[in-house]
Amino acid sequence: SQTIHQWPATLVQPVGSPLSLECTVEGTSNPNLYWYRQAAGRGLQLLFYSVGIGQISSEVPQNLSASRPQDRQFILSSKKLLLSDSGFYLCAWSRRVGYTFGSGTRLTVV
Amino acid sequence: DAKTTQPNSMESNEEEPVHLPCNHSTISGTDYIHWYRQLPSQGPEYVIHGLTSNVNNRMASLAIAEDRKSSTLILHRATLRDAAVYYCILSNTGNQFYFGTGTSLTVIP
Repeated sequence: SQTIHQWPATLVQPVGSPLSLECTVEGTSNPNLYWYRQAAGRGLQLLFYSVGIGQISSEVPQNLSASRPQDRQFILSSKKLLLSDSGFYLCAWSRRVGYTFGSGTRLTVV
Repeated sequence: DAKTTQPNSMESNEEEPVHLPCNHSTISGTDYIHWYRQLPSQGPEYVIHGLTSNVNNRMASLAIAEDRKSSTLILHRATLRDAAVYYCILSNTGNQFYFGTGTSLTVIP
């Protein structure tokens, strides 16, 4: 069966520090991968998606970047965090119809 | 870029049926209708999806209008664990999900 792993579950980082969130998928090959962010009390915003290794599409220009070094690995990064980067970050994968989401990372930038 | 419209909030009494509406007047012929729900501090969870015909599964039923411009998620007997934000999403196969603000369902004991 397919599983998706996302870590860490919570993270507190100072303003200006770097960020790296990792997401891995097991039990499937060549999935579409996605990063979403949910600000407090808001809906989910699509940040990046990838249809294959090294292929990244950005939905919203901002302080973040994404990479897909392996088929089932998706990484969200920032060189310098801003206060506005705080939120709940979710990774998801899909093959044909429907998404499966990870458990999320709660990021607080202080 | 959400293409669906849902009420911001709804209430239901426990053990009563709940009908959550969704309008999607610009739906294309190849768009699937998906429903997900999100509990606080968790990722969205799949509920049901359909294309043209009504669908049933162990969690819920999906009633799709004949012109496909609206749909209704039906929870047959609401429980306290069904309290969540419910999202109605349109998507072609392999395309991205764009979430709207969803409907926050409150279940009253």
